[in-house]
Formats: sequence, C-alpha cells, structure tokens
Amino acid sequence: GAGVSQSPSNKVTEKGKDVELRCDPISGHTALYWYRQSLGQGLEFLIYFQGNSAPDKSGLPSDRFSAERTGGSVSTLTIQRTQQEDSAVYLCASSVLAGGTDTQYFGPGTRLTVL
Amino acid sequence: DAKTTQPNSMESNEEEPVHLPCNHSTISGTDYIHWYRQLPSQGPEYVIHGLTSNVNNRMASLAIAEDRKSSTLILHRATLRDAAVYYCILRDVGDDKIIFGKGTRLHILP
Repeated sequence: GAGVSQSPSNKVTEKGKDVELRCDPISGHTALYWYRQSLGQGLEFLIYFQGNSAPDKSGLPSDRFSAERTGGSVSTLTIQRTQQEDSAVYLCASSVLAGGTDTQYFGPGTRLTVL
Repeated sequence: DAKTTQPNSMESNEEEPVHLPCNHSTISGTDYIHWYRQLPSQGPEYVIHGLTSNVNNRMASLAIAEDRKSSTLILHRATLRDAAVYYCILRDVGDDKIIFGKGTRLHILP
C-alpha cells in the first residue's frame, strides 16, 4: 500500500513568512510524528500525535511552531515568521504497534529553505 | 531513551557481509533494540528490532549479546544501495518518539 507522503517536497520562503507542511500518514496508523533534520545533523523530534490524546509538543523549538492533526489522519506543521535557522528537512512518520513496540515509517520529507 | 555507542563510520566491500556494532551497556530489561537506516536524501527506514533473541528478516539479521549490553546488525551481502547511516536505538515499552544518535555511516566499496 501507499507509504507516508509529504508535501511539498521542497519549499523556499522568505524570512518572516509563514509556511505549512503537510503529512499524509499510512492509513490505519494511529501515531504520527514530526522530526526535522538540519544539514549534516541528526534527526530532532518535534511533536507526536497518538489517537485522540493531547499531542506531545515537547520537541517544538519555539512558539512559532505548531501542528495539528485533523480527523486522526492528515497533519499540518505550521511555522510562523520563519527564520533562517528553520531551514531543514522536515520529516513525518507514522506508526503501528508491532510486538510490544512500534515501527515508524517515514515520509520523504519536505526540504525547507528560508532565505 | 538509553544511550547507544556506534562507530562514526565503516567501510565494506560490495558483496561481502557487514557487521555493524552497537554498545548499550545501560540497557534495561524492557528496552527493545531497534535499527533504522537513512539512505542519502531519504527519510529513515526501519531495518529490524529485537528484545533478547537474535532476529532475522529480509533486510538483515540482528545478533544480541547474551548480556544484552551490545548488539550487531548483520548485512549478509552488502550492495552499493546499502550505503547509508545506520542508527542503533533503544526504545522502552511505551516509548513514543525516537531519539536518534549520530549513527554509523556505512560506505560500500565497489
């Protein structure tokens, strides 16, 4: 079946503008995650949704970042008043429990460049 | 997530087996050992996971030491497509987010 999809694949924006990044998880996966990866760096957790529970926002770097998940499926990550340090690849993953732990399936990412 | 230690980089020849080590001396009894890999310009990809016993799947094998303080990811016959960063991660039951370390960058020589 279809994997995790993300759009757009690339986004170039000017400093100070708002951007929205979209994630379509695998159908039936109850958990959805956002990570980001800056150039040459490791992956950094941002936010986690599980079913109808309140999201874990502990990884969001500032209040300019927010995310929502509508109907337990599609998620949108919004970055307001973008800064150059927000430039990174933003990765979405969804998961299902398998044998007591979950396996996360990642999308291809959105490469965000803030000029 | 408990800490893991991996070599920064490794090299292997194409069509030969590759053994990627991971040390996790502070592992707890309920920590699962997960491996993910990230090919160039792609998102991470699940490889394998295990708890106590060795595991095999289509992609690789996971050999877990008897004391669980270390493990080895085995690629039986490396191809150029296996060149990637390999992450060894400990995840307790109920852990949600993955804390990725720096991983091992595997280079495959033709």
